[in-house]
Amino acid sequence: NAGVTQTPKFQVLKTGQSMTLQCAQDMNHNSMYWYRQDPGMGLRLIYYSASEGTTDKGEVPNGYNVSRLNKREFSLRLESAAPSQTSVYFCASERAGGQQETQYFGPGTRLLVL
Amino acid sequence: QQQVKQSPQSLIVQKGGISIINCAYENTAFDYFPWYQQFPGKGPALLIAIRPDVSEKKEGRFTISFNKSAKQFSLHIMDSQPGDSATYFCAASDSGAGSYQLTFGKGTKLSVIP
Repeated sequence: NAGVTQTPKFQVLKTGQSMTLQCAQDMNHNSMYWYRQDPGMGLRLIYYSASEGTTDKGEVPNGYNVSRLNKREFSLRLESAAPSQTSVYFCASERAGGQQETQYFGPGTRLLVL
Repeated sequence: QQQVKQSPQSLIVQKGGISIINCAYENTAFDYFPWYQQFPGKGPALLIAIRPDVSEKKEGRFTISFNKSAKQFSLHIMDSQPGDSATYFCAASDSGAGSYQLTFGKGTKLSVIP
């Protein structure tokens, strides 16, 4: 079991460029999440998918879009990157979201927007 | 609006000492309080969690103390070891709203020195 995997591990973008962060889990979990982590800010939820076919906004959704491609995969897209989106992005999954169970996090994608 | 306030931001403890990290929350509907541990370059991982029907939960050297009336909960690490050096995040969620969102504190960087 690889758990939660994220690609790429690190990316540098120029302002205005677009990119998609990929996330996959092999635990047959129903719910998946995208967080961003900034120094001194903790983890903030960008979007989540309670189950395959559904997505909802979290605390900081502006500038992002998501796709729940299937039960395993949940991608995060930046259409026009801005320096304020420089951050570390974590994907997480949970067996049955809303049931207050363990969220399993991936290793993160470090994004630098110049 | 920060709903979970965590302190201190950083903590230095001698090996063998007790590390104490505190969190306070505002939303009285919160009913699940996990702690996550994050090592540098890694994603967070669940350490221990408590629900408000108990005032304390212990797992090995890690204990959560919960004070519902004060709306506070804390993590105690007994016999702290250099391997405990990491960033710790408290979090909270509300099951009643069917919410999938964990609200995280801003984190505490713990350094255990030999």
